[in-house]
Amino acid sequence: AQSVSQHNHHVILSEAASLELGCNYSYGGTVNLFWYVQYPGQHLQLLLKYFSGDPLVKGIKGFEAEFIKSKFSFNLRKPSVQWSDTAEYFCAVNNYGNNRLAFGKGNQVVVIP
Amino acid sequence: GAVVSQHPSRVICKSGTSVKIECRSLDFQATTMFWYRQFPKQSLMLMATSNEGSKATYEQGVEKDKFLINHASLTLSTLTVTSAHPEDSSFYICSARRGVSRGNTEAFFGQGTRLTVV
Repeated sequence: AQSVSQHNHHVILSEAASLELGCNYSYGGTVNLFWYVQYPGQHLQLLLKYFSGDPLVKGIKGFEAEFIKSKFSFNLRKPSVQWSDTAEYFCAVNNYGNNRLAFGKGNQVVVIP
Repeated sequence: GAVVSQHPSRVICKSGTSVKIECRSLDFQATTMFWYRQFPKQSLMLMATSNEGSKATYEQGVEKDKFLINHASLTLSTLTVTSAHPEDSSFYICSARRGVSRGNTEAFFGQGTRLTVV
């Protein structure tokens, strides 16, 4: 079965520090990849997505993610975080042409001013 | 981005009663809608995938007779929790997607429904 893994569920860091969140998936076919963010009290919002082309994807608010097919990974990065980046981050994967959209367990990120 | 509206945002019901949650895509036609359940401090658990005009596809372990899903139109899907019990208390989230082509596989999320069964 298709699964999505996110490690280090709780991440605490200071402002201006760099952030990297790992995401690995188990499905071997062609995939579409997403990172969603959920700010406190708000609904899920799309940060960035990968369908095809350049494996380095840039999203909103300075986030980027790199798709490494050989490693089945889609890690999220931000060079310098801000207090407002405090949120929960979810990686999601679905098979090309398949309607099933599965999520990882999420990373709770807390940025200390 | 596209807007998905979920209603109600909060509901409290008595044990044994049924509750209906609506999910509407306000400015696009959603050929596919997903229903998720989110437990506290946990991820979204996919319950079922709903395609307009056809039966929903349920994930393993999700009781289809308990969680009735209807996707009667391209802008509306409903989730009915039948004979609700306290263990059904949870946060339910819907999402909607325009199509299955690679250019339109982004899903948009509703604000969620907090269900409390007493």
